[in-house]
Amino acid sequence: QVQLVQSGAEVKKPGASVKVSCKTSGYTFTGYYLHWVRQAPGQGLEWMGRINPNSGDASFAQKFKGRVTMTRDTSINTAYMELTRLTSDDTAVYYCARVREASWFDPWGQGTQVIVSS
Amino acid sequence: QSALTQPASVSGSPGQSITISCTGTSTDVGTYNLVSWYQQHPGKAPKVIIYAVNKRPSGVSNRFSGSKSGNTASLTISGLQADDEADYYCCSYVDSVLFGGGTKLTVL
Repeated sequence: QVQLVQSGAEVKKPGASVKVSCKTSGYTFTGYYLHWVRQAPGQGLEWMGRINPNSGDASFAQKFKGRVTMTRDTSINTAYMELTRLTSDDTAVYYCARVREASWFDPWGQGTQVIVSS
Repeated sequence: QSALTQPASVSGSPGQSITISCTGTSTDVGTYNLVSWYQQHPGKAPKVIIYAVNKRPSGVSNRFSGSKSGNTASLTISGLQADDEADYYCCSYVDSVLFGGGTKLTVL
């Protein structure tokens, strides 16, 4: 079955960077866009951006431009999201999700907790 | 772009029906039939329950239904069950992606 398995929890200091991985299986990796969504504690879902695993092209929400990078490694069917210049406001659970029919997300990864604290 | 607008909370008794609204604009919800809904239980990843306004993925109960009128999409849950207690998010996928602020459903 289709699975997205993310890397483990991270604790980072302000100003540092974090790189989260999303390992996929059960489908053709290059056939579906992958998106990244985050959720701060007690808050709603916030879209960060997406990557086309076939071309490697990525686009980002305005809020994250200049601070986020999305890449992929097609040899291991894995996507990555790196966020730089972390602040406490970046403390959140980060999810990857596969897009279907160009408009809905299924499935989602299990989430990666990122805590930014001095 | 601003987030889509959802009520913060709704509640209902077992067996009843509830509806959650999701209001956007003419450039997102109003123009395209690309609205989806997600259910999220505490500590879990979101799960799609409705896509393309009113379609249900395989395996999702037919107690969940979606509709749209103008700039507002709606999710209706009929025959409420205890396990329906969760957060619900609408989503509009046009060029970029917008989520609603989320609605907490309490089953009384």
